[in-house]
Amino acid sequence: AQTVTQSQPEMSVQEAETVTLSCTYDTSESDYYLFWYKQPPSRQMILVIRQEAYKQQNATENRFSVNFQKAAKSFSLKISDSQLGDAAMYFCAYRGGGSNYKLTFGKGTLLTVNP
Amino acid sequence: ETGVTQSPTHLIKTRGQQVTLRCSSQSGHNTVSWYQQALGQGPQFIFQYYREEENGRGNFPPRFSGLQFPNYSSELNVNALELDDSALYLCASSLKDTGWDEQYFGPGTRLTVT
Repeated sequence: AQTVTQSQPEMSVQEAETVTLSCTYDTSESDYYLFWYKQPPSRQMILVIRQEAYKQQNATENRFSVNFQKAAKSFSLKISDSQLGDAAMYFCAYRGGGSNYKLTFGKGTLLTVNP
Repeated sequence: ETGVTQSPTHLIKTRGQQVTLRCSSQSGHNTVSWYQQALGQGPQFIFQYYREEENGRGNFPPRFSGLQFPNYSSELNVNALELDDSALYLCASSLKDTGWDEQYFGPGTRLTVT
């Protein structure tokens, strides 16, 4: 079974600074997808960024980028120029490449942004 | 384009009772997944429905059941409620036929079992 581990229960960053959230995963599959989701206090889970395992190039979405290390099974999220609105719980998630599209989530990292 | 909606927002039930939670998919989506998120934890996959058929199930007992309707909205039913069923229940809809299945989440239903 696939597992996703987020080793940082909480992180904090100063506004305008950069922060990196860590995620490792375990799988025997070669085809899969990785995601970072953001869950603000409103509870709605919002997709931040996604990465297909077959792509070597790291995904980037504006201020958000990932460092995908397939051999190390590591998938970290870097947030640049942090903003107050980035404060939320961040979840790393894994999806296998088969027809069952279930997401396996880590326990989350609570990000605080200090003004 | 309407997003994923869930009802009710909050619910309080007594142990042993039954509950039905509802989810309306995003317009055009044909797949609905349900997740249980206990306090301080990441969401756990309950099951997924695709075109009204169950398409995968997580490690949840049979008292967790679901339905998907022809309009692709969905229900999650939980029988014989236990205290540990207290959680945030999230549904997510997606369009499976495109080969890329991005899941869009609803705001969740907070269930408290006393």
